[in-house]
Amino acid sequence: SQTIHQWPATLVQPVGSPLSLECTVEGTSNPNLYWYRQAAGRGLQLLFYSVGIGQISSEVPQNLSASRPQDRQFILSSKKLLLSDSGFYLCATEGAYNEQFFGPGTRLTVL
Amino acid sequence: QQQVKQSPQSLIVQKGGISIINCAYENTAFDYFPWYQQFPGKGPALLIAIRPDVSEKKEGRFTISFNKSAKQFSLHIMDSQPGDSATYFCAASITNRDDKIIFGKGTRLHILP
Repeated sequence: SQTIHQWPATLVQPVGSPLSLECTVEGTSNPNLYWYRQAAGRGLQLLFYSVGIGQISSEVPQNLSASRPQDRQFILSSKKLLLSDSGFYLCATEGAYNEQFFGPGTRLTVL
Repeated sequence: QQQVKQSPQSLIVQKGGISIINCAYENTAFDYFPWYQQFPGKGPALLIAIRPDVSEKKEGRFTISFNKSAKQFSLHIMDSQPGDSATYFCAASITNRDDKIIFGKGTRLHILP
């Protein structure tokens, strides 16, 4: 079975600072990978997905970017954080029925 | 047409009662309907799922009821316990296609002890 690791678990950053969140996956090869954001008390917003190394698709225009430097590594970045970037960031893989399997998440607070 | 509408937004149920969360969809191409359970500070976890060739699926105290003609499906939690307090998301997907899974907006369930 696959395991998804995310770090850091929590992060507090000032407005205007850079961001790098990392997701790594074990137990599978060539997974489809996803980044979601969940604002406090809200639903799941798909940010990016990747079907392979170097292949990134963005679902919404925003201050964030994603990269996939290795098969099982997915990184979410920003050059300058905004207050509105605060939220719970979830990495996910995809199952046979397109269902999502989520990682433990990173809680980001931008002050 | 790609939306999945979930209701209610929040739900309070007495311990031992039945919790019912409903979802509706429009796209008849959806062929897989999972439910997710999310505890505070954790990622959502797949709880139970159903395919449209059956009308009901039961796993322990959790049951999905599926009405294909009405394009609706619901999650029933029998004998609800305080440990069931969480946010629940329904979802719908089309297998063997590149379309992304669609999530409902979530229901925050609180079980009173």
